[in-house]
Amino acid sequence: NAGVTQTPKFQVLKTGQSMTLQCAQDMNHNSMYWYRQDPGMGLRLIYYSASEGTTDKGEVPNGYNVSRLNKREFSLRLESAAPSQTSVYFCAIMNLDRGTTDTQYFGPGTRLTVL
Amino acid sequence: GNSVTQMEGPVTLSEEAFLTINCTYTATGYPSLFWYVQYPGEGLQLLLKATKADDKGSNKGFEATYRKETTSFHLEKGSVQVSDSAVYFCALRPNSGGSNYKLTFGKGTLLTVNP
Repeated sequence: NAGVTQTPKFQVLKTGQSMTLQCAQDMNHNSMYWYRQDPGMGLRLIYYSASEGTTDKGEVPNGYNVSRLNKREFSLRLESAAPSQTSVYFCAIMNLDRGTTDTQYFGPGTRLTVL
Repeated sequence: GNSVTQMEGPVTLSEEAFLTINCTYTATGYPSLFWYVQYPGEGLQLLLKATKADDKGSNKGFEATYRKETTSFHLEKGSVQVSDSAVYFCALRPNSGGSNYKLTFGKGTLLTVNP
C-alpha cells in the first residue's frame, strides 16, 4: 500500500519545454489535488479534482493543465515551462464520503527546476 | 475568503523546551482545523485535527484546542525533541459551501530543536 506516489522525484527543464507530472493513489479516495510549495509562501493550490470526471482551478492555475485520467490518477502538465514554475509540487488526496475523515494525504513531492 | 495566519519562524529551541506555535484563522461557520508536519525532504503528513469548537486534537505529545471565540488553534508541546525539527503548517477546511473540498494552509513555521 504505497498511498500516494509521484513521478518523477526530480526534474530539470529548460524554459519553453513541456512535461507532465504524474500522481497515482491506491487509497480509493475521491478527491485529488495539486499544490506547489515555494519558500515563504506555504502551499498554494494549483488545481483539484473533487471526483472522477471533474477538475477545477485553484489559487494559481495559470501555466498549468490537469487531467483526471481515472479515479487513481491525476496528472499536471506544464505546456511551456517558465523559471517562475521552479518549485516543489505535491499531489494530495482526500475523501469526503460520509463516514470517512477529511484528512489530506500527500505524496513525497516532485522537485522541478526550470532554467 | 478563508485565511490562516501562523507565527513566522524560524523557531529555535533547546531539547525539552516548551513549544507554542500560534495559528489564527478567518472563515465563516465552523471549519475543520488541522496541523500538518513536514519533515525534511518529505511531503506533509497530518499531525492532529479538530472538527468543532472546544475540541482538542492531540498526537505524539502535541496538542491544539479549537477556540471559536478567539478563532485560534495554537500548537503546543511540553517537551520538544530533536526529532521534532520540521516545518509545521496550520490549515482549515470549510464544512459548508462550494469550497469545502479545499484546504487553506498557513505559510508554515520552521522549528529547529538543538540537543
